[in-house]
Amino acid sequence: GAVVSQHPSRVICKSGTSVKIECRSLDFQATTMFWYRQFPKKSLMLMATSNEGSKATYEQGVEKDKFLINHASLTLSTLTVTSAHPEDSSFYICSARTSFTFNEQFFGPGTRLTVL
Amino acid sequence: AQTVTQSQPEMSVQEAETVTLSCTYDTSESDYYLFWYKQPPSRQMILVIRQEAYKQQNATENRFSVNFQKAAKSFSLKISDSQLGDAAMYFCASMNRDDKIIFGKGTRLHILP
Repeated sequence: GAVVSQHPSRVICKSGTSVKIECRSLDFQATTMFWYRQFPKKSLMLMATSNEGSKATYEQGVEKDKFLINHASLTLSTLTVTSAHPEDSSFYICSARTSFTFNEQFFGPGTRLTVL
Repeated sequence: AQTVTQSQPEMSVQEAETVTLSCTYDTSESDYYLFWYKQPPSRQMILVIRQEAYKQQNATENRFSVNFQKAAKSFSLKISDSQLGDAAMYFCASMNRDDKIIFGKGTRLHILP
């Protein structure tokens, strides 16, 4: 149980286009989902926290108009990178937790975004 | 603010031997959680072990155990009987009641056959 999927696993896009990444909890209802960014050989940096049905809370320094997060259902959150540029190329990871598993987050397998 | 520090960017250990990965943290909260995550080449984050700050007893999961020194804000991970499959990036992390997990910079562990 507690499986989180991400789609796509890899995406390559042209500069200036927008890319949507999906994060799904497959066998549980995720009241809260988190989006992280990981640069090569670096640690995970929390970008934002989203609660189902409400606006995402962004970490300091993260452009909310650049990284649009939607958490429309208890099993799906999306991250849209708008007007992507090469510096947005990174590995994006989502995680999810239920209201009953406060002290554990379940991580997705990540999405590698490459912007040409 | 929470901070997590891992001072060992890389470590190597002989297969079947024991290795300890270091981690220190800082938080102003009294109620928090500490974690060690493993990230293999697949990049999937895997929870290795979790420690509640209010528990004095060190957490143990099979070959993995921690040495939690609350006063010193230290949280090291000991891997016993190291196996080739243990080779990965290991992240120490902390989480306050605000849900946010803060990760250290990671330690890359190499297992020497």
